[in-house]
Amino acid sequence: AQTVTQSQPEMSVQEAETVTLSCTYDTSESDYYLFWYKQPPSRQMILVIRQEAYKQQNATENRFSVNFQKAAKSFSLKISDSQLGDAAMYFCAYSLIRTGNQFYFGTGTSLTVIP
Amino acid sequence: DSGVTQTPKHLITATGQRVTLRCSPRSGDLSVYWYQQSLDQGLQFLIQYYNGEERAKGNILERFSAQQFPDLHSELNLSSLELGDSALYFCASSFGAAANVLTFGAGSRLTVL
Repeated sequence: AQTVTQSQPEMSVQEAETVTLSCTYDTSESDYYLFWYKQPPSRQMILVIRQEAYKQQNATENRFSVNFQKAAKSFSLKISDSQLGDAAMYFCAYSLIRTGNQFYFGTGTSLTVIP
Repeated sequence: DSGVTQTPKHLITATGQRVTLRCSPRSGDLSVYWYQQSLDQGLQFLIQYYNGEERAKGNILERFSAQQFPDLHSELNLSSLELGDSALYFCASSFGAAANVLTFGAGSRLTVL
């Protein structure tokens, strides 16, 4: 079964501090993409960052970076210099390159940013 | 604005009724995906259409159906509605049949009373 586990239902961080959200996944395939999507109170799903599994280098997007550990099937998201606008639900997901049709999502981590 | 347009934004209806949700993909995208997000849940894949043809099917109930029209917009039809069908329904689009990223619409909030 294809599964994504986000073990932290809720997290909080002080403004300007750093927070790491955890994600593990389970697939027997070797070629896939990994994603973090953000869902603010507006409910819009917004792509935060994407990682190709065949790339060893961790993806970064401004204040957002990932720690991708392929052998451990772990894909954590680090948010640096947290801002109030980062408060949202964060979903980890992956899709298989072979099929590319279905994205498998975790149940999300709710991030609160404390002023 | 992601470029993926969903209507209506909100819909309230009664059990046993039928509703239609509409989605226009981002310009140039040929694939449309439908996802269901129930309260405090992740997104569940329902179905994908690519260039008018059904491409992949997930956990879509028999009471639900979808189609993609020649102008590439898609409709998700939900019939014999039950209380448990209350959810946020997302449409997403991608260029190809196999997506390496999904662009989501703002969702349609369905409430079944």
